Amino acid sequence: GAVVSQHPSWVICKSGTSVKIECRSLDFQATTMFWYRQFPKQSLMLMATSNEGSKATYEQGVEKDKFLINHASLTLSTLTVTSAHPEDSSFYICSAIPIPRDRVVNNEQFFGPGTRLTVL
Amino acid sequence: AQSVTQPDIHITVSEGASLELRCNYSYGATPYLFWYVQSPGQGLQLLLKYFSGDTLVQGIKGFEAEFKRSQSSFNLRKPSVHWSDAAEYFCALSGGSNYKLTFGKGTLLTVNP
Repeated sequence: GAVVSQHPSWVICKSGTSVKIECRSLDFQATTMFWYRQFPKQSLMLMATSNEGSKATYEQGVEKDKFLINHASLTLSTLTVTSAHPEDSSFYICSAIPIPRDRVVNNEQFFGPGTRLTVL
Repeated sequence: AQSVTQPDIHITVSEGASLELRCNYSYGATPYLFWYVQSPGQGLQLLLKYFSGDTLVQGIKGFEAEFKRSQSSFNLRKPSVHWSDAAEYFCALSGGSNYKLTFGKGTLLTVNP
């Protein structure tokens, strides 16, 4: 149980285009999902917290107009990288917190497999 | 503010040797602590976690970690490393009700035959 999927697993796009990445919780519902970015040989950095039915909260330094997050249902959050540039090339990973809360085992998040974005 | 430090960027061990990966944290209360493993191009796999109680926690793949409050540490250990353990290892901390994870910079493990 507690499986999270991401689609696509990898994507290559031209500079200036927009790319949408999906994060789905397959066997549970989640009001809270997180989006992380990982540059090569670096750690994961939290970008934003995705909240179902409300606006996402972004970490300091993350452009909310560039990284659009939509959490329209209890099983799906999307991250859209708008007007992508080569410096946005990275590995994007999402995670999800299951509900109801009593299923949350001490702050454990469940991670997706990641999406590799390459912007040419 | 919370932070996680993994002092070793890269560790190389021989197959069959013991392993210890270091993790130190900074947090104002007792944190929730995690160790994750990541193979190249893959997502994160949870190895083990600590919340409270017994300070020695057992995880998957033969890993264990010990929480030492006095040293603000949560070191990962394995008595005998296998070649398949070669990967990147991340220590992470969560505190409070917002569930946010703070990751260390990771330790790359290389296993020599």
